[in-house]
Amino acid sequence: AAGVIQSPRHLIKEKRETATLKCYPIPRHDTVYWYQQGPGQDPQFLISFYEKMQSDKGSIPDRFSAQQFSDYHSELNMSSLELGDSALYFCASSLEGRAHNEQFFGPGTRLTVL
Amino acid sequence: AQKITQTQPGMFVQEKEAVTLDCTYDTSDPSYGLFWYKQPSSGEMIFLIYQGSYDQQNATEGRYSLNFQKARKSANLVISASQLGDSAMYFCAMREGNTGTASKLTFGTGTRLQVTL
Repeated sequence: AAGVIQSPRHLIKEKRETATLKCYPIPRHDTVYWYQQGPGQDPQFLISFYEKMQSDKGSIPDRFSAQQFSDYHSELNMSSLELGDSALYFCASSLEGRAHNEQFFGPGTRLTVL
Repeated sequence: AQKITQTQPGMFVQEKEAVTLDCTYDTSDPSYGLFWYKQPSSGEMIFLIYQGSYDQQNATEGRYSLNFQKARKSANLVISASQLGDSAMYFCAMREGNTGTASKLTFGTGTRLQVTL
């Protein structure tokens, strides 16, 4: 079965650079979530989109922005990168209206800021 | 207050034995869902089991079962017949609100399970 695809899988950037993370949800899933997991931490919710509209926002820095496109893929744009942005970034997708809105996670993008 | 509390930072279990991973939660929303995810050292998040707040029976998925005690606000994961491949970090998570809304997951701090021979 098709899963959530994230690219790139690994990314190394310098401080103050920008980064773009991409997420391709499971086909026919209409909702995308972004989570950030720092080293030894639990995942923290950043932002979500339902039918291409932002539906919820968590602890996402102003330096970050995201959107969901007409084909339902999503991109997380990160500017003025800081050392503390080094983390594993997960995208998850779900189909709203399912019995329990199970969120399927992608493999993650590991971002290292030097 | 923490919404999801996992009090066991680490657990050891012998192969073929059963193990219980604890999770308590805090919400005033009558409609919520509880999830368990497994995160191996490779990093991916693997969905294991789900329990809805209105579900009458405890959820089961193969070797995984969820001991749901609503009055105590606990949702413990039971893994039967542990295997070496079960060694991983386990996260309990909660979604608040009705299904049909794009509700985020709030995670606990996780329990690292080590299965020994």
